[in-house]
Amino acid sequence: AQSVTQPDIHITVSEGASLELRCNYSYGATPYLFWYVQSPGQGLQLLLKYFSGDTLVQGIKGFEAEFKRSQSSFNLRKPSVHWSDAAEYFCAGANFGNEKLTFGTGTRLTIIP
Amino acid sequence: SAVISQKPSRDICQRGTSLTIQCQVDSQVTMMFWYRQQPGQSLTLIATANQGSEATYESGFVIDKFPISRPNLTFSTLTVSNMSPEDSSIYLCSVRGGGFSEQYFGPGTRLTVT
Repeated sequence: AQSVTQPDIHITVSEGASLELRCNYSYGATPYLFWYVQSPGQGLQLLLKYFSGDTLVQGIKGFEAEFKRSQSSFNLRKPSVHWSDAAEYFCAGANFGNEKLTFGTGTRLTIIP
Repeated sequence: SAVISQKPSRDICQRGTSLTIQCQVDSQVTMMFWYRQQPGQSLTLIATANQGSEATYESGFVIDKFPISRPNLTFSTLTVSNMSPEDSSIYLCSVRGGGFSEQYFGPGTRLTVT
């Protein structure tokens, strides 16, 4: 079955430190992959997306993600986190031609001073 | 990207009653989606709503419980019927964006059923 897995439920990072959030996918062909962020009490905001081409994609707020077919991964990274990055992060995927997104279970990011 | 608003932003409802949630988009869109996010959980797709056709429901969701209207290309409603405490969730609408499978989300409606 097609799925997206986020192995980390909760991650704590010091402000200014680097961040990597993991996402693994299970799709037959190259999927469309997305990272969304949900701040407390807010809807979801699209951070970045991968359809094809360059495997390193840049997003908003200084985030980037790398698509690695060999590892079935699409990990989200940021070189230096800010306190405002504290939020819930969701990885999502879809098959080519399928409008429906499948979401991972989310990773809650806590930033400590 | 589209700007999406939802009403109400939150509500507290009595068991057995119904609540209609509105989703308004600032541009015409073909596909709209309704999701449920239970406390501490991820998003689960309830249904896909295309203008001019009946909504398509996902497994585990039925029209009698979650009737959806899609009267035009900028508006949709989701009704949560005969509510129980298990319906306490955030309900989000989204629209298909410009890219492949890309979706933009509204701010959500936080529903508490007592």
